[in-house]
Amino acid sequence: EAQVTQNPRYLITVTGKKLTVTCSQNMNHEYMSWYRQDPGLGLRQIYYSMNVEVTDKGDVPEGYKVSRKEKRNFPLILESPSPNQTSLYFCASSLSRTSGFYYNEQFFGPGTRLTVL
Amino acid sequence: DQQVKQNSPSLSVQEGRISILNCDYTNSMFDYFLWYKKYPAEGPTFLISISSIKDKNEDGRFTVFLNKSAKHLSLHIVPSQPGDSAVYFCAASRINTDKLIFGTGTRLQVFP
Repeated sequence: EAQVTQNPRYLITVTGKKLTVTCSQNMNHEYMSWYRQDPGLGLRQIYYSMNVEVTDKGDVPEGYKVSRKEKRNFPLILESPSPNQTSLYFCASSLSRTSGFYYNEQFFGPGTRLTVL
Repeated sequence: DQQVKQNSPSLSVQEGRISILNCDYTNSMFDYFLWYKKYPAEGPTFLISISSIKDKNEDGRFTVFLNKSAKHLSLHIVPSQPGDSAVYFCAASRINTDKLIFGTGTRLQVFP
């Protein structure tokens, strides 16, 4: 089954304790992205990756890191979480328009609800 | 700068009637538009899309209309069903880019 998986689904942590949220896709997609969803703000892009070893900042990258060592995995790292990073996080993947695919609907993972105390 | 706007945070419709969700955009370089549906505790799922070279795309009960001159798109659901109750996001993509820019969402409630 084609899917994007995220772990953990729920996480409560304390300020400053490093954490990683994993994301994996089995569709051989080039493009992967992380979003956060906050009330009244919709989905905002944190970081994205066009392919292995190619990552770039989205609209709200402060306080986050990512890596793309393998095509299927795109972990999100919070090295020193703060309460303003309490949010619902989604990972997504798609084929890439820059590779010639026009219809690049993104497939989303189930989400990770993070609370930073 | 909110390039994709959904000005109605919520919409309530009776079962069997039409639901119309609206979305406005500001960037004329957008050439591909999508609608996503999101249930609580799940990720958004792709619903329907439209290319800027078309003005209508239909898939079963769902139809998306695009008015390029007004920079406006709408999603029509006919007939509405209780299972359609969810948050709907519109999104847009610029030519030759992969980034999707999302609106803030509209919560649709379909009541019996």
